Amino acid sequence: KAGVTQTPRYLIKTRGQQVTLSCSPISGHRSVSWYQQTPGQGLQFLFEYFSETQRNKGNFPGRFSGRQFSNSRSEMNVSTLELGDSALYLCASSLAGTGGNNEQFFGPGTRLTVL
Amino acid sequence: GEDVEQSLFLSVREGDSSVINCTYTDSSSTYLYWYKQEPGAGLQLLTYIFSNMDMKQDQRLTVLLNKKDKHLSLRIADTQTGDSAIYFCAERNYGQNFVFGPGTRLSVLP
Repeated sequence: KAGVTQTPRYLIKTRGQQVTLSCSPISGHRSVSWYQQTPGQGLQFLFEYFSETQRNKGNFPGRFSGRQFSNSRSEMNVSTLELGDSALYLCASSLAGTGGNNEQFFGPGTRLTVL
Repeated sequence: GEDVEQSLFLSVREGDSSVINCTYTDSSSTYLYWYKQEPGAGLQLLTYIFSNMDMKQDQRLTVLLNKKDKHLSLRIADTQTGDSAIYFCAERNYGQNFVFGPGTRLSVLP
């Protein structure tokens, strides 16, 4: 079974631009969660999508948004990029998202650098 | 809000045991997890423990949970250089999302 894939793996943008990151979950997984990882803040939860609906949201500004498609693939968008958005963005998929031990499987991440 | 704490660094000699500690604040945490992250990679689930258990063993890994003190530990027996990585403790409750600790960087010295 293929793992979680994220594209692109590396991205360089300048301040003010916008960016879209993509995540393809493990086949059969319906939940996709996004995390931002930085040296200073660690791993912070952005949002979770399940069956094309945002089910949970972390404490990030509205510049961070996402969506999920009917095939469970998810995209995350960041508008008006700031230097502080430079981070590793991790996507994790799971079967159902809540209830029971719902293991999350992580992708390799997209390294975003904002200049 | 929920919080998970870990020490940031740990150094051990190859062949010794490593013990990585974690404390959490959410007393209603249902599952507690240990993840491993190697350089340039995403997180890999190592093991998890349900809150009604106090110990779980999986080959070289032993997880101990003290629910009263909200303390979780991961013991790696016979630590190898390939175990060098960042180890994250995480907790979650039903219907909630994962809350991760800051990670412990384990260095294994030859």
